[in-house]
Amino acid sequence: AQSVTQLGSHVSVSEGALVLLRCNYSSSVPPYLFWYVQYPNQGLQLLLKYTTGATLVKGINGFEAEFKKSETSFHLTKPSAHMSDAAEYFCAVSLNSGGYQKVTFGTGTKLQVIP
Amino acid sequence: EAGVTQFPSHSVIEKGQTVTLRCDPISGHDNLYWYRRVMGKEIKFLLHFVKESKQDESGMPNNRFLAERTGGTYSTLKVQPAELEDSGVYFCASSQGRLNSPLHFGNGTRLTVT
Repeated sequence: AQSVTQLGSHVSVSEGALVLLRCNYSSSVPPYLFWYVQYPNQGLQLLLKYTTGATLVKGINGFEAEFKKSETSFHLTKPSAHMSDAAEYFCAVSLNSGGYQKVTFGTGTKLQVIP
Repeated sequence: EAGVTQFPSHSVIEKGQTVTLRCDPISGHDNLYWYRRVMGKEIKFLLHFVKESKQDESGMPNNRFLAERTGGTYSTLKVQPAELEDSGVYFCASSQGRLNSPLHFGNGTRLTVT
């Protein structure tokens, strides 16, 4: 079985500060990993994904995440927070289920950016 | 391209009533997924269509939920009769391909059962 744990349901950072959102996964096989963002009253949008290859993945809006197999982690970072980054962020893991992907989401982390 | 659209955006019904949610995926996307998020909890998988066939319906809570995807285009999710615990946001997503394809989400339907 696969699962995703996001540490911290709420994170507050000052504008310009480092953003670090934590995600750990449990999987018996190498997973595909995603980060999605949800802005108020909108659906989820893909920020970035890890499949194979380079473990440091760059996404949209200056976000990046690093896959660390030894730590079963896929933390999301951004060097400098903008007010527009305030949203809810979801880590997700995808495994092969009958030849198709089955995606499991974490509980989400709400990011507040303080001016 | 047009995104995934869901209708209605909000629905408030009384316990025991019936509600039907609709999802129009991105044209050409064979995969259509339904997810639900209950207040503050994780986004939970309900089921997955490949074209008109149910590939995986392991997440459907019980037989009060019925999903269809006629002709492999739009999908409906009917809840009959609705219970209080069915309240939440129902998301639809679509994707191309079989593995590691990003999911494209609609804005969700917020269902409130009173």
